[in-house]
Amino acid sequence: SQQGEEDPQALSIQEGENATMNCSYKTSINNLQWYRQNSGRGLVHLILIRSNEREKHSGRLRVTLDTSKKSSSLLITASRAADTASYFCATLSNSGYALNFGKGTSLLVTP
Amino acid sequence: GAGVSQSPRYKVAKRGQDVALRCDPISGHVSLFWYQQALGQGPEFLTYFQNEAQLDKSGLPSDRFFAERPEGSVSTLKIQRTQQEDSAVYLCASSWDRGDYGYTFGSGTRLTVV
Repeated sequence: SQQGEEDPQALSIQEGENATMNCSYKTSINNLQWYRQNSGRGLVHLILIRSNEREKHSGRLRVTLDTSKKSSSLLITASRAADTASYFCATLSNSGYALNFGKGTSLLVTP
Repeated sequence: GAGVSQSPRYKVAKRGQDVALRCDPISGHVSLFWYQQALGQGPEFLTYFQNEAQLDKSGLPSDRFFAERPEGSVSTLKIQRTQQEDSAVYLCASSWDRGDYGYTFGSGTRLTVV
């Protein structure tokens, strides 16, 4: 079963706009991670935020975490056509061995 | 190697056939994970190895699925008597630990059972 749920399922924007994706999860976590997957490829790790952190930045990426609401958001600023991909959130529980992934948000950035 | 390598990249199997999928993790990575990804879905956890020990196999869908990592490096996922519902992309990932620093994924093996 999948722990996280991303919202929206699909997002279409133009180059230069910002893209925001949300993730909700169910159980308490050790950390939350975001991954990108280009069509037909494996997943690429983007950013990790720990349960005691509220916000983290990496280049054009900004991640927030609200453990009281069991939710996270990923913001991609100044999007590019190359950002077109599926984005997944994944959580590591305190007792689990492995990451649990959501169903993903499909992002399309048009020139 | 520089990344996680999986082979074959594509596999077509006739229903009832046995298949073996290989994963070469990043050298030195203690943890190795197998995931199954159906079309349009997120990856679903299958099994986890810490070195050669299989610590969690709770995600394996049936006893037709078997994974091993005998020397703590290369891993093989075997599916016996394949069925159409086994059609999916099988992803392998490795990490220094269970997940505190992120996983490195391979490109996956796309299995199609006909």
